[in-house]
Amino acid sequence: DAGVIQSPRHEVTEMGQEVTLRCKPISGHDYLFWYRQTMMRGLELLIYFNNNVPIDDSGMPEDRFSAKMPNASFSTLKIQPSEPRDSAVYFCASGAGTGNVAAFFGQGTRLTVV
Amino acid sequence: DAKTTQPPSMDCAEGRAANLPCNHSTISGNEYVYWYRQIHSQGPQYIIHGLKNNETNEMASLIITEDRKSSTLILPHATLRDTAVYYCIVRLYNFNKFYFGSGTKLNVKP
Repeated sequence: DAGVIQSPRHEVTEMGQEVTLRCKPISGHDYLFWYRQTMMRGLELLIYFNNNVPIDDSGMPEDRFSAKMPNASFSTLKIQPSEPRDSAVYFCASGAGTGNVAAFFGQGTRLTVV
Repeated sequence: DAKTTQPPSMDCAEGRAANLPCNHSTISGNEYVYWYRQIHSQGPQYIIHGLKNNETNEMASLIITEDRKSSTLILPHATLRDTAVYYCIVRLYNFNKFYFGSGTKLNVKP
């Protein structure tokens, strides 16, 4: 398996523009997580899905952020409009089933908003 | 989820064992201990997890004290490529969120 695949790996955009980050989880995994990492705040859980349904979005910082999972093999995190303080590395992770299982992370998308 | 406490940084000589401690004194009976690491700016990498018993895999060993209030991750023969931030996480059995703390920065030196 190729692991969790995120695209793009790097994104530079201007303030006010819409940004869409993409994630393909590991096949067969029914949990999907979006994290954000900054120097100041470390790794923060933004939202997670189970069987394509959002379960907890309490970590989403503002209404400018939205996430969708239209099917089991694809998820998006959208920021509209983007702001410089959104600059961070965004990670997607997926996991299978319940119990003592691990989550596996993608390589991340480095977002820079200028 | 129970909170964890880790030292901010540690040094280890290449080829020697690296022992990374984690305190989780408020852990409850159905919470697991997980270890991840993050090398530079890559995505966090799963290492190992356990409930009560000591665990070993191809990457590391996990030693959990009998009262489960602390644990130690052991890298038996550290290499320069093991330089990373190591995160200790306590998580409920019913698999939902992984909350990452600030971790331990392990510096493996030649």
